Amino acid sequence: AQSVTQLDSQVPVFEEAPVELRCNYSSSVSVYLFWYVQYPNQGLQLLLKYLSGSTLVKGINGFEAEFNKSQTSFHLRKPSVHISDTAEYFCAVSVDSSASKIIFGSGTRLSIRP
Amino acid sequence: EPEVTQTPSHQVTQMGQEVILRCVPISNHLYFYWYRQILGQKVEFLVSFYNNEISEKSEIFDDQFSVERPDGSNFTLKIRSTKLEDSAMYFCASTDTGTGEVGQYFGPGTRLTVT
Repeated sequence: AQSVTQLDSQVPVFEEAPVELRCNYSSSVSVYLFWYVQYPNQGLQLLLKYLSGSTLVKGINGFEAEFNKSQTSFHLRKPSVHISDTAEYFCAVSVDSSASKIIFGSGTRLSIRP
Repeated sequence: EPEVTQTPSHQVTQMGQEVILRCVPISNHLYFYWYRQILGQKVEFLVSFYNNEISEKSEIFDDQFSVERPDGSNFTLKIRSTKLEDSAMYFCASTDTGTGEVGQYFGPGTRLTVT
């Protein structure tokens, strides 16, 4: 079975500061990895995904994530955050089959201070 | 840009009542899903649906739940007799594996409140 751990439930940062949201996963088989974002009162939006190949994945809104197989991690980063990045961020995995269910982490609430 | 839509955005119902949550997946997608998020908890998988039948379901998806694709555009989740613990945000999702694309597109959710 697969599982996802997001170590930080909340991350407060100042505007224009860098941010890293941590994610670790557990799986006995190959997985796809995702980050989803949920803005207040909205649905889940796919931020980026890792399927294979380059371990550094770039997504929308200036976010990127790095897959580290040895550490089973998929941390999300942004070099300079904006107020508009305030949202809940979910790390997720699925078995490497394109139709598989997605298993989500518990989420990290990113709050940006001016 | 095509998107998944869900109705209603908020549904309040009394315990024991039946509810039907509706979703319109992206038109060329082939796989459909329901997830739920109890307040303050993780998003949890409920069921996946392909070719007019359930392809996978979680242990949450018991006999009180059913899904249906009544026509070419809608995808519904029915809860036969709601319980207080069914109160949650329910998300519909779809994906098109016909193109090899990976990643599910989620709707905005329906907040179900059972009183």
